[in-house]
Amino acid sequence: EVQLVESGGVVAQPGESLRLSCAASGFTFDDSTMHWVRQAPGKGLQWVSLISWDGNRAYYADSVKGRFTISRDNSKYSLYLQMNSLRTEDTAFYYCAKGTFRLEPAGRDFDYWGQGTLVTVSS
Amino acid sequence: DIQMTQSPSSLSASIGDRVTITCRASQSISTYLNWYQQIPGKAPKLLIYVASTLQSGVPSRFSGSGSGTDFTLTINSLEPEDFATYYCHQTYSTPYTFGQGTKLEIK
Repeated sequence: EVQLVESGGVVAQPGESLRLSCAASGFTFDDSTMHWVRQAPGKGLQWVSLISWDGNRAYYADSVKGRFTISRDNSKYSLYLQMNSLRTEDTAFYYCAKGTFRLEPAGRDFDYWGQGTLVTVSS
Repeated sequence: DIQMTQSPSSLSASIGDRVTITCRASQSISTYLNWYQQIPGKAPKLLIYVASTLQSGVPSRFSGSGSGTDFTLTINSLEPEDFATYYCHQTYSTPYTFGQGTKLEIK
């Protein structure tokens, strides 16, 4: 059974740093692109970042570029999100999600999601 | 960035009804379009990928269609557990954007 379990969400002050973790199990982690997606309370979904299976490529939403860093440790089946210079608008549930690439027809989707961890940025 | 626009934003329907949600992309995304269901307090759940393929375990009353810029999600014969928020999602190019969501409520 695929499981993704996020941790690390806390209350932080603006300007502080935080590191989120996602523990994966039940699938071949080092074959999978992984993502972070966030959702402000009562709002819609926002893709945050992705990291390739080998960790060599990472992409970010403009709103977090230069402040957040995605990383992974395939030996530990773990995904991370280092969040620096936090802003009040970063307050959200943060989900990690497993990416899957499809062939014929081609596509990409997020087929498994964790339950999320809440980050609250407030002074 | 590719903008995804869903309509309607909210929808009231009754058990047994058929409903359709539409999603329009600001540029062609081929079939790089997914649909997710989110129940309050829960993580999103993948329903449909590559525009029209049902994820394993998803009931056949759900279906998707479209390509290019225009897509639809149809739910036939609504069941109580279908009342939730639905999101379309493009993965054609980063940033991978979501629609704003359609909240399906019981009439």
